[in-house]
Amino acid sequence: SQTIHQWPATLVQPVGSPLSLECTVEGTSNPNLYWYRQAAGRGLQLLFYSVGIGQISSEVPQNLSASRPQDRQFILSSKKLLLSDSGFYLCAWSGHSPNEAFFGQGTRLTVV
Amino acid sequence: AQSVTQPDIHITVSEGASLELRCNYSYGATPYLFWYVQSPGQGLQLLLKYFSGDTLVQGIKGFEAEFKRSQSSFNLRKPSVHWSDAAEYFCAVGAENQGGKLIFGQGTELSVKP
Repeated sequence: SQTIHQWPATLVQPVGSPLSLECTVEGTSNPNLYWYRQAAGRGLQLLFYSVGIGQISSEVPQNLSASRPQDRQFILSSKKLLLSDSGFYLCAWSGHSPNEAFFGQGTRLTVV
Repeated sequence: AQSVTQPDIHITVSEGASLELRCNYSYGATPYLFWYVQSPGQGLQLLLKYFSGDTLVQGIKGFEAEFKRSQSSFNLRKPSVHWSDAAEYFCAVGAENQGGKLIFGQGTELSVKP
């Protein structure tokens, strides 16, 4: 069966520090991969998605970037965090045909 | 553009009472519709999905949802709520050529009174 791992679960980082959140998927190959952000009291906003290695699409302009160095690995990064980057970040995967997305457990990021 | 509206930010029901969470979508073609549930500090778990066929879909944990094209709605229902159903519920819409790329509603927080 497929599983998705996301870490760390919580992170407190100072403003201006770098960020690296990692997500890996097991049990499937060539998945679509997604990073969503959930701000307090709001729904989920799609930040990035990837249909293959090295292929990244950004949905919204922001201080973050994403990379997919391996088929089942998706990384969310920032060179310098802003206070507004605080939130709950969720990684997800799906198949390429119409299908539901499967979510990781999320990372709670607090920028101080 | 696709969009999803969940009109109710917060709903409180008594344990054992019935539940209906509303979801309206905007999409030009036949949508793919989903309901997810999120417990505090956790990821999202799929409750049910609608792609085509029978407009009344059954999901896990006793939930069901009905797709009504004329009303652009996909409301979630449960005949008898349990205290463990307290969580946040998200409706989402996807498109045929976009895999798991989903547009989410703002969510409805469900509280259950004893």
